[in-house]
Amino acid sequence: NAGVTQTPKFQVLKTGQSMTLQCAQDMNHNSMYWYRQDPGMGLRLIYYSASEGTTDKGEVPNGYNVSRLNKREFSLRLESAAPSQTSVYFCASSTEANYGYTFGSGTRLTVV
Amino acid sequence: QKEVEQNSGPLSVPEGAIASLNCTYSDRGSQSFFWYRQYSGKSPELIMFIYSNGDKEDGRFTAQLNKASQYVSLLIRDSQPSDSATYLCAGGLWGNTPLVFGKGTRLSVIA
Repeated sequence: NAGVTQTPKFQVLKTGQSMTLQCAQDMNHNSMYWYRQDPGMGLRLIYYSASEGTTDKGEVPNGYNVSRLNKREFSLRLESAAPSQTSVYFCASSTEANYGYTFGSGTRLTVV
Repeated sequence: QKEVEQNSGPLSVPEGAIASLNCTYSDRGSQSFFWYRQYSGKSPELIMFIYSNGDKEDGRFTAQLNKASQYVSLLIRDSQPSDSATYLCAGGLWGNTPLVFGKGTRLSVIA
């Protein structure tokens, strides 16, 4: 039982490059989320998908796009990476009743 | 702006003592509250959730909720060095509304 799987685990990008962070869950959860975590800033919501076919902005959506490909997969795309996007990115999922999230192992992204 | 506030710490307690972690929230509409533990370099893992006023116990952990005071706490009894981590408090509404996380309290249990 894999839970929430994120790829890649580490990535270094040059400013202006693009990349997609992948997230997949096998728990039949309806809701999926992307957070970033920076020192002293806690977890900040980037985008979320309450159910398949819907996506909504969170607290810090600028510079990001998302795709809910199907019920299992929710990807995060950086179109033109900036050093300010250096962070640890976590994907999470939950049931509709929101009894708490299950987090993926995270992606550590560095933009130089 | 919905906020969840936590003292960043570090909170240092001796092994075997009770660690008390506190959290306040600004949105009176919040109904569900969660405590996550995060080891350095790892992802958050759910310890407990609480919805009703009062105490909820699970092993060495007790969560306390006071909706009138908008206050949530986590007590860790018989603290162990393995409990040393950052503890995140989160609050949310019912349904699919995303949780709002505090910035976390770093706990250090000294052997």
